[in-house]
Amino acid sequence: GAVVSQHPSRVICKSGTSVKIECRSLDFQATTMFWYRQFPKQSLMLMATSNEGSKATYEQGVEKDKFLINHASLTLSTLTVTSAHPEDSSFYICSARETASGNTIYFGEGSWLTVV
Amino acid sequence: AQRVTQPEKLLSVFKGAPVELKCNYSYSGSPELFWYVQYSRQRLQLLLRHISRESIKGFTADLNKGETSFHLKKPFAQEEDSAMYYCALSGQGAQKLVFGQGTRLTINP
Repeated sequence: GAVVSQHPSRVICKSGTSVKIECRSLDFQATTMFWYRQFPKQSLMLMATSNEGSKATYEQGVEKDKFLINHASLTLSTLTVTSAHPEDSSFYICSARETASGNTIYFGEGSWLTVV
Repeated sequence: AQRVTQPEKLLSVFKGAPVELKCNYSYSGSPELFWYVQYSRQRLQLLLRHISRESIKGFTADLNKGETSFHLKKPFAQEEDSAMYYCALSGQGAQKLVFGQGTRLTINP
């Protein structure tokens, strides 16, 4: 089946710095990718929909300037957490929609972000 | 607005017993419903979708529009079914998936 890969799987950064997480669709093209945030023992919270070649669509309450999303190619979307703070520490998950096989959405393995 | 509710955070049954994970949704149009499963230390993976009307790993789910439900069922639970299960909804023409809170299923030997 289709594979979505995230990198890095774990990252630790200092408060005030920015960190980038990549999401790649390895064997299919994805015009649409999604970014989720998951707190421990809680569900996935949709942060934004990433559209190739255009601006991302953010969910209510998600700060656009803090969580920068870029979808520059059909296989890559990036999430940059700017001026990170400890409360941004979380598990970030991306997913990608494969239109060729009935719009199935495949998920990445997730990225643990710890801000110290 | 799209909303998915899974009333049970935890569900524990014995091996061989029937399993039902509840899912209710709120959406004004015609939704597409999914069940995703997350095994320990693995990524989310699609278990089944209502439009396929298929059975995966012995699990089935029927969309009941009258009750706005999409409960997941399996007649005889197996230990390898222990996992986190998420019900999700995609609205008509919409692209995003909205998830329920998830139910952690534990199958006891």
